Amino acid sequence: LAKTTQPISMDSYEGQEVNITCSHNNIATNDYITWYQQFPSQGPRFIIQGYKTKVTNEVASLFIPADRKSSTLSLPRVSLSDTAVYYCLVVPFSGGYNKLIFGAGTRLAVHP
Amino acid sequence: NAGVTQTPKFQVLKTGQSMTLQCAQDMNHEYMSWYRQDPGMGLRLIHYSVGAGITDQGEVPNGYNVSRSTTEDFPLRLLSAAPSQTSVYFCASSYGEGGRSNEQFFGPGTRLTVL
Repeated sequence: LAKTTQPISMDSYEGQEVNITCSHNNIATNDYITWYQQFPSQGPRFIIQGYKTKVTNEVASLFIPADRKSSTLSLPRVSLSDTAVYYCLVVPFSGGYNKLIFGAGTRLAVHP
Repeated sequence: NAGVTQTPKFQVLKTGQSMTLQCAQDMNHEYMSWYRQDPGMGLRLIHYSVGAGITDQGEVPNGYNVSRSTTEDFPLRLLSAAPSQTSVYFCASSYGEGGRSNEQFFGPGTRLTVL
């Protein structure tokens, strides 16, 4: 599975838009890009998944350029409750259940 | 639905003791797994199961055993606890293994300290 690289930490303020970029240079044709969010003292939870172009849900948007070697998670108008660790993962279309890599993630701190 | 439940929430063991961490899910998921998370780090896969009666090792299996006798339950056994096993343990389940079906549903975690 493709390895991902993302910033270790980011800081933002309430009401701002936050963009977290993830690099996955070796992504395969059948791989999806998936993001999880982890609050302190909780397990991670799925927030969004995409294959190409743009995906939007009630929580976030995911932008994937044509070459798919990177992706950007966009959180609109963050609040203090968005303070969490965000993980970028590459998930194959089939198989690879035992090869999900939750790296160190990006620790987002939202300030008043 | 309760989702994925784990017991206990906290546990303190002495070196050499054994114990079982419980995990159950009520979503009829075939795939279940155990992860450990050390401070400031990501999650590492310990063991996983692709269905009742089928288990396999993950990245860090040493010192742990698992079994899967039912779809709902996936207990993790520490055979002889060591301080290096101090960590937070998460159980997860998913409907399938590819694409969106791979979405992992995590339990609340068990915080284990080994003295």
